[in-house]
Amino acid sequence: ETGVTQTPRHLVMGMTNKKSLKCEQHLGHNAMYWYKQSAKKPLELMFVYNFKEQTENNSVPSRFSPECPNSSHLFLHLHTLQPEDSALYLCASSQEVSGESYEQYFGPGTRLTVT
Amino acid sequence: GQNIDQPTEMTATEGAIVQINCTYQTSGFNGLFWYQQHAGEAPTFLSYNVLDGLEEKGRFSSFLSRSKGYSYLLLKELQMKDSASYLCAVRDSNYQLIWGAGTKLIIKP
Repeated sequence: ETGVTQTPRHLVMGMTNKKSLKCEQHLGHNAMYWYKQSAKKPLELMFVYNFKEQTENNSVPSRFSPECPNSSHLFLHLHTLQPEDSALYLCASSQEVSGESYEQYFGPGTRLTVT
Repeated sequence: GQNIDQPTEMTATEGAIVQINCTYQTSGFNGLFWYQQHAGEAPTFLSYNVLDGLEEKGRFSSFLSRSKGYSYLLLKELQMKDSASYLCAVRDSNYQLIWGAGTKLIIKP
């Protein structure tokens, strides 16, 4: 595997379900990100992890819970979601040096539909 | 607030040239990125500008004017495979990326 991988690629879940999205990067980067992408809207940064430590949490509802067990893996745990949470969830990674991050590499995304 | 503006959609002809504009108002500036995103795929990095001027990379060029808060992506010799969305993103004073909503480029034969 190369680059950034995400599983599953598609997910349909009910509002009472619990599911997890997985992201893995094979680039040796030290920063990982979760984004939400809705149609015709800018990418919304949800969470940032640097060296496994969460550094950004952009007012994301608690029904989204991130986990970063090591610098290569990132999870997004989902529970009691709302229909408006339906979107493409993108994972990205980058190399951060002295507080400055270089270009981000994205995974293919998980298309989430909440019914 | 912070804001990135780019046209929602543009149409161009195969073989022609197209310029996609991006204007920004951010708290500080630490570089501007252009990404390409084909439908259903991941965004991929195209270019990075931090100093004023033109950066050329094959058929793609990116220009930056920091004083005007303006950038453009120039695509030459358009090919059908260039049909995609083009995302502009600015890194602010906190080194956080602020994203535009993207410009959907449609290439016609």
